[in-house]
Amino acid sequence: AQSVTQLGSHVSVSEGALVLLRCNYSSSVPPYLFWYVQYPNQGLQLLLKYTSAATLVKGINGFEAEFKKSETSFHLTKPSAHMSDAAEYFCAVSFTGGGNKLTFGTGTQLKVEL
Amino acid sequence: EAGVVQSPRYKIIEKKQPVAFWCNPISGHNTLYWYLQNLGQGPELLIRYENEEAVDDSQLPKDRFSAERLKGVDSTLKIQPAELGDSAVYLCASSLGLNSDTQYFGPGTRLTVL
Repeated sequence: AQSVTQLGSHVSVSEGALVLLRCNYSSSVPPYLFWYVQYPNQGLQLLLKYTSAATLVKGINGFEAEFKKSETSFHLTKPSAHMSDAAEYFCAVSFTGGGNKLTFGTGTQLKVEL
Repeated sequence: EAGVVQSPRYKIIEKKQPVAFWCNPISGHNTLYWYLQNLGQGPELLIRYENEEAVDDSQLPKDRFSAERLKGVDSTLKIQPAELGDSAVYLCASSLGLNSDTQYFGPGTRLTVL
């Protein structure tokens, strides 16, 4: 079975500081990995996805994530936080033959302070 | 291009009452998903449709929940009767249907059961 663990349910950074949101996965087969963002009262929007091509994946809004098989991690980063980045972020996993079924982590609420 | 449309956005009902949620996926998307998102949690898959066929409904509580996707386009999720624990956000998503394909989410329906 596949699962993801997001370390830190709440992360607070200053505007302009590095954003690092952690995600570790568990999968018995090569995974596909995703980061989604959810703004209040809205649905989820895809930030980026890893599908076994390049291990460093660039997404929208300046975010990127690196797939590290040895560490079973897929952490999300952004060099400089902006106030508009404040939202909830979800890591998710699926796998080949899984029917595109996503298993989500519990989410990390990002707060950006002045 | 219009995104995934859901209605209503908010619904408040008394326990034991029935309730229904409607979803219109992105045009041309063969796969449709219903997710349940409890407060502070990531979404959990309830049911997945490939065209009009429910191909994964293992997580759908069939004693009170039902879903349909007539003609392989719009879908309706119903709860009858609703219980207090059903209070949550119900998200609909759609995708082209291929493995690792991006799922596009609607804004969700927030259900409150009193």
